[in-house]
Amino acid sequence: GAGVSQSPSNKVTEKGKDVELRCDPISGHTALYWYRQSLGQGLEFLIYFQGNSAPDKSGLPSDRFSAERTGGSVSTLTIQRTQQEDSAVYLCASSSEDTSNTQYFGPGTRLTVL
Amino acid sequence: QKEVEQDPGPLSVPEGAIVSLNCTYSNSAFQYFMWYRQYSRKGPELLMYTYSSGNKEDGRFTAQVDKSSKYISLFIRDSQPSDSATYLCAMVSGGTSYGKLTFGQGTILTVHP
Repeated sequence: GAGVSQSPSNKVTEKGKDVELRCDPISGHTALYWYRQSLGQGLEFLIYFQGNSAPDKSGLPSDRFSAERTGGSVSTLTIQRTQQEDSAVYLCASSSEDTSNTQYFGPGTRLTVL
Repeated sequence: QKEVEQDPGPLSVPEGAIVSLNCTYSNSAFQYFMWYRQYSRKGPELLMYTYSSGNKEDGRFTAQVDKSSKYISLFIRDSQPSDSATYLCAMVSGGTSYGKLTFGQGTILTVHP
């Protein structure tokens, strides 16, 4: 079956602009995670959604970052007023109890802020 | 100090060598341990997971956990050029595999023919 997909694969934007990154999880997976991978910081947790529970936002670096998950499926990560330090690869993962909660990652969106 | 420490390498070995990759951690709440492999421009993929101290084997891969020392290892036997990738250790706190992952920095491995 299809894996986790993310779009766009690459995004170049200017400092101060808003961006939206999309994640389509594996069908039926109830949990969805966002991570960020940068050279200096490695792979860092941002936020996760589990079913209808309130999301765990503890990893979001600032209030410029937000995410939503509509209908328990697709998720959008929004970064407002982008800064150069936001440049990174944004990875989405999904998981299910049926697969021992293994997190399956998408290919990521490479964000470059000029 | 990061919760999970991993030597970023890079590590370069000849084909057929035994590779040892290691992570240390400081948070005793970590109970579930994973190793991911990440090829260039791809997302990480799970190689192995374990939640108990001791060894776990899967083909050429062996994961080892020592909770008393807060130290985990991944061994790759008979390494192949196709094993060239970044290897990331990851951990989850609590007694299940569910929840946010805390990653090491990743070790870049190159296996040359």
